[in-house]
Amino acid sequence: KQEVTQIPAALSVPEGENLVLNCSFTDSAIYNLQWFRQDPGKGLTSLLLIQSSQREQTSGRLNASLDKSSGRSTLYIAASQPGDSATYLCAVGSGTYKYIFGTGTRLKVLA
Amino acid sequence: DTAVSQTPKYLVTQMGNDKSIKCEQNLGHDTMYWYKQDSKKFLKIMFSYNNKELIINETVPNRFSPKSPDKAHLNLHINSLELGDSAVYFCASSQVAAQETQYFGPGTRLLVL
Repeated sequence: KQEVTQIPAALSVPEGENLVLNCSFTDSAIYNLQWFRQDPGKGLTSLLLIQSSQREQTSGRLNASLDKSSGRSTLYIAASQPGDSATYLCAVGSGTYKYIFGTGTRLKVLA
Repeated sequence: DTAVSQTPKYLVTQMGNDKSIKCEQNLGHDTMYWYKQDSKKFLKIMFSYNNKELIINETVPNRFSPKSPDKAHLNLHINSLELGDSAVYFCASSQVAAQETQYFGPGTRLLVL
């Protein structure tokens, strides 16, 4: 049974810092991995999607990597800003029609 | 021009009542999903539909009955609501099963009293 864990559960950093969020999964047989952000009281916004054959994806200040063999993905945020404050969720495409979500990391970037 | 929309946004009701949540996507996607986010913010899949057909039912009580009248709509009907049903319910869609980016609706906040 696929389990997805995110560490840390919460993170508070000063503005401008580079930071790394971690996502680990127990079954390496995945289709892909997707990173989302969720603002309080809102839905989820997709940030990056990495297919199982890819090692990383980049979008602006965000870079996500995937290491299937070790069951890990990282989301790197460069030069963090207060607007980056949100909960970040990773989701593993596990089976054709199924995503398993991680427990989330609550990020707060202090001005 | 909202991609995935849900109604209502908020739902407050008494135990034992029956309620429905509607979801529509205008992205032309084949696959739609219902998720439940509990009080600890953990998001869990409930149902997956592909081309109006139920593909996944994740051990959800049969008080929950999804219905897909067409590819663009996936509604969720809940019978005999219980206190534990209180949560945020999210609808989502993607182009090709779980191989492409999922797009989420804004959520429906259900409170059962």
